Amino acid sequence: AQSVTQLDSHVSVSEGTPVLLRCNYSSSYSPSLFWYVQHPNKGLQLLLKYTSAATLVKGINGFEAEFKKSETSFHLTKPSAHMSDAAEYFCVVTKTSYDKVIFGPGTSLSVIP
Amino acid sequence: DAGVTQSPTHLIKTRGQHVTLRCSPISGHKSVSWYQQVLGQGPQFIFQYYEKEERGRGNFPDRFSARQFPNYSSELNVNALLLGDSALYLCASSLVPREGLYNEQFFGPGTRLTVL
Repeated sequence: AQSVTQLDSHVSVSEGTPVLLRCNYSSSYSPSLFWYVQHPNKGLQLLLKYTSAATLVKGINGFEAEFKKSETSFHLTKPSAHMSDAAEYFCVVTKTSYDKVIFGPGTSLSVIP
Repeated sequence: DAGVTQSPTHLIKTRGQHVTLRCSPISGHKSVSWYQQVLGQGPQFIFQYYEKEERGRGNFPDRFSARQFPNYSSELNVNALLLGDSALYLCASSLVPREGLYNEQFFGPGTRLTVL
């Protein structure tokens, strides 16, 4: 069975400082991992994905994530937060296109000017 | 190109009623999935459809059903509505599913269902 844990329900950072959103997963096989962002009243947007290629994945808007199998983690980072980054972020795990997609509970990111 | 579209955007129903939600995938996408997102939680997988057949189902009761049409659009039906069915219902489309691989899902803006 697969599961996803997002360790912080809410993260607050100052504009221009680094962002770290933590995600740990549980999977009995090599998973595919994703980060999605959800802005208020907008649809979910894919930030980045890991599908067993390079362990350091670069996404849109300056975000990146590192897959660490030994720690079963897939933390999302950004060197410098922007006001427009304020949103809900979801870590997601699945295996293939035919498998159930499991979303984490989400982390709400606030950016303080 | 238009993204995934869903209708209606908002809906208010009372307990016991029936509701139908609609989704049109991105042109060229043949797979549609439905998710329920309760306020403050992550989306929960309900169904995946491809070629008009159910390919996956989450842990939802039989009151939830769906179908996919020849033009790949989809409907989600919920019978005997409960207060707990109040949520944002998201539709996502993707290209033809490929065994052993993952196709990115593109999400619509959702339908906000309120059950009173």
